[in-house]
Amino acid sequence: GNSVTQMEGPVTLSEEAFLTINCTYTATGYPSLFWYVQYPGEGLQLLLKATKADDKGSNKGFEATYRKETTSFHLEKGSVQVSDSAVYFCALNPLGGGGATNKLIFGTGTLLAVQP
Amino acid sequence: NAGVTQTPKFRVLKTGQSMTLLCAQDMNHEYMYWYRQDPGMGLRLIHYSVGEGTTAKGEVPDGYNVSRLKKQNFLLGLESAAPSQTSVYFCASSSRRVEKLFFGSGTQLSVL
Repeated sequence: GNSVTQMEGPVTLSEEAFLTINCTYTATGYPSLFWYVQYPGEGLQLLLKATKADDKGSNKGFEATYRKETTSFHLEKGSVQVSDSAVYFCALNPLGGGGATNKLIFGTGTLLAVQP
Repeated sequence: NAGVTQTPKFRVLKTGQSMTLLCAQDMNHEYMYWYRQDPGMGLRLIHYSVGEGTTAKGEVPDGYNVSRLKKQNFLLGLESAAPSQTSVYFCASSSRRVEKLFFGSGTQLSVL
C-alpha cells in the first residue's frame, strides 16, 4: 500500500542551524510528493511539492528533492529562523497529477522548535 | 480572502450527543475533504467529495456522515459521539486541476 514515514520529533535547533527532516515513502505508480507546514493554531499550508523523479521543490529557503531510487523526499533548509518553528508534514498523492482527486496520505508530522 | 472557513472552532460534547461541523470555501473548488488529526497519527481522511451532491469514504469513515448539497459547503456529522472521536478536525478543498489543498483552521472537539 501507500504510506509515508517521517522522522520523529521534536527537532530542536538553534537559530541559523541547518535543518534536515527525513521523509521516505512507499507507493505503487508515480506519486506526487509534498511538504505541508502547520503553524501553531492554524491549518496546514503547502510549503513545496515535486511531481516527478529528480524534481526539486523549493519555497521560503526550504528545499526537497524527489529521489525515486531511495524513495525519499527529505526537507532541508540552510539556516533556520525562530519563525520556522512549526509542525512539518510529508505527504504523497498516490495517483500524481493525472486527474487525481488529491486524496493525500500524510506522515505523522515532525515538530520543529527553533531557539534564539 | 476567506478561503476555507470552519465552524465551530471548539466544541465539547457528551457521549451520545450529535453535532454537525460546517465547512465553507469561497474558491469554487470541486473537491472537499474532512480529515482528523490525532497525536502520533498525522492526518487521516474521513470522507471526501468530488463535486456537489457526491460523497465518498476515506480511511476512517465509521461514526461519521457527510453531505455536500451546495458546492461551497461540506458538512460533517456525528450522530452519536464517542470519546474516540475526540480530535482536531480539518476541512480542506482543492481544485480539480491543481495539486494543492487549502485547509481551514480546524475544529477542536472533545467528547466526554
